[in-house]
Amino acid sequence: QKEVEQNSGPLSVPEGAIASLNCTYSDRGSQSFFWYRQYSGKSPELIMFIYSNGDKEDGRFTAQLNKASQYVSLLIRDSQPSDSATYLCAVSGVSGAGSYQLTFGKGTKLSVIP
Amino acid sequence: DAGVIQSPRHEVTEMGQEVTLRCKPISGHDYLFWYRQTMMRGLELLIYFNNNVPIDDSGMPEDRFSAKMPNASFSTLKIQPSEPRDSAVYFCASSRTGGGNTIYFGEGSWLTVV
Repeated sequence: QKEVEQNSGPLSVPEGAIASLNCTYSDRGSQSFFWYRQYSGKSPELIMFIYSNGDKEDGRFTAQLNKASQYVSLLIRDSQPSDSATYLCAVSGVSGAGSYQLTFGKGTKLSVIP
Repeated sequence: DAGVIQSPRHEVTEMGQEVTLRCKPISGHDYLFWYRQTMMRGLELLIYFNNNVPIDDSGMPEDRFSAKMPNASFSTLKIQPSEPRDSAVYFCASSRTGGGNTIYFGEGSWLTVV
């Protein structure tokens, strides 16, 4: 059974600070890793995906992947109150059709304090 | 391009009644997923289809749940008979081969069984 673990939070950061969200996964063969943002009462929306070890930057967001440690993180620079949401880490299956099957963590609730 | 469309958005029903949730995936997407989200269990994959064929239904909780995809643009998730513990948000999502395993969610169907 694949598992994806996240600290449920809430994680509170002041406006303008860096928010760091972490995720670990159990299936060493996982190939693709995703961060989704979910506002209260809304559906999850994709923020970033990462496939290779290292960092991937997109605007204020940086995803970091360490396959040896089975660890994924998301950094949000210059945090804004509008970033307040639950962040879901998702991990894909190993190969073929299974690679489209995402397992989600329960999410970390982020609160950015003005 | 229209996103994933789900109906109904909200449903309140009495225990024992049949519930049918509907989904229209994004045009051109060949993968369709049904997820259920609760506070306790997070976002769980119930079943997914590729080219209208069910690939993995191991997440379907019990025989009361069934899903069909009669064509590329329509899917249903049926609960019969419904129970209070089925109360959750049910999300439909879709993806396409070669789309980087990225899945896109509908707005969800909020089900309350009383």
